[in-house]
Order: sequence, then C-alpha cells, then structure tokens
Amino acid sequence: QVQLQESGPGLVKPSETLSLTCSVSGGSISPYYWSWIRQPPGKGLEWIGYIYYSGSTNYNPSLKSRVTISVDTSKNQFSLKLSSVTAADTAVYYCARGGSWIESWGQGTLVTVSS
Amino acid sequence: DIVMTQSPDSLAVSLGERATINCKSSQSVLNSSNNKNYLAWYQHKPGQPPKLLIFWASTRESGVPDRFSGSGSGTDFTLTISSLQAEDVAVYSCQQYYSIPLTFGPGTKLDIK
Repeated sequence: QVQLQESGPGLVKPSETLSLTCSVSGGSISPYYWSWIRQPPGKGLEWIGYIYYSGSTNYNPSLKSRVTISVDTSKNQFSLKLSSVTAADTAVYYCARGGSWIESWGQGTLVTVSS
Repeated sequence: DIVMTQSPDSLAVSLGERATINCKSSQSVLNSSNNKNYLAWYQHKPGQPPKLLIFWASTRESGVPDRFSGSGSGTDFTLTISSLQAEDVAVYSCQQYYSIPLTFGPGTKLDIK
C-alpha cells in the first residue's frame, strides 16, 4: 500500500514562495501520475497540477503562472512550488497519486500565508 | 473549466436507510469513443484525507463496501449508500477527469438523523 507524506513550512509570508515535498513509500514513483490538490478553509478541493514520473506536467490554468511541480525519482519524491503567495493560498495541501481519479492521498499539511 | 455542482448541500439519514447524493457537471463527461463517464466519488472525514470510493461513475474501488454505488451518465450522476452505517458520516464529493483542469464538486455533508 503506497503511502504519501507532505513536508514543508506551515507558515509562508505574502509574496514569497510556498515549497512542499511529498515523499512516497511502499511503492515506486514510476509509472504513475502524481498530483497536488489543496482545500482552503471551508471550501472545496482544488486541483493544482500533476506530474508524470517521466517529468511531464499539467497545471491548473488558474495557477499555471505561479506553479512548478518537479519529480526526483532517485529519492521517490515530488515537489510543489507556488510563487507570489497571498492569503488566498492558505489551505490544506495534499499530495496524491493519480492524474485522473485520485487513488491515494497524503494526510495533508496546512499552509498558512501570513506576515 | 467543467463546473461540478452537488445537491443537497447536506442531508441527514437514519441508520439503515438509503442516502442519495446528486452531482451535476456543466458539460458532459461521457467519452463517446469508449462509452465511459469520467467521474469519481470521494468520502472525506474530518482530519483524514479524502478516500476514493468510485471511478468511471460506477466502478467501486477495491475494499469499498458494496453498500456504496454510483450511477448516471453524461451530466447527471448519483452516489447511493443503500443502508447507512455510523461510519459513513462524512462529506462526499464528486470529481470529473474528462478534461483539464480536474474539478471537484463542493461536497455534500452526510449526517445521522
């Protein structure tokens, strides 16, 4: 059973870059799609983007100008960078396996944007 | 973007009774070339990550109890819990994967009456 664990700062200042890493255990990064999804407080789920193990990506157009997702197959990890954050980016961020339906999720990590 | 809506926003059902949650997409998620509906359902309990219940609109994920079933086609879909158990209290969301961006419904909160 694959397990995913998000890691990174829980507090980010406005205008800075949010950086999270997802460590995958119990299975290989290949040959799967890996997504980042977030849920702002009191709101629904929002897909941020995904990366294939080979490195190809697809992003939500609403965030595309600020998002970079990368993969490190040697470490069985993939990462999210979201630049120029504002309070609207405060959310629980999930890493997950899947590029269509999402079959496995990390526990999620709350990232708060505040000075 | 395909906008997903759900109804009702919340509902309360007695233990052992049927619960029905509806999901509607702003455009069809049926791929006519393979006759598959690109729709999934998730269960989300507080403090836990969402759990995949159903994909292809009606295919249960491995390990999901058979009291959960999905139906519908095109733009209108339904998640049915045939006999509500206490552990089914959660928020249920639908998601389309027909086109990018992947989009989720706002969720339906299910409680015990």
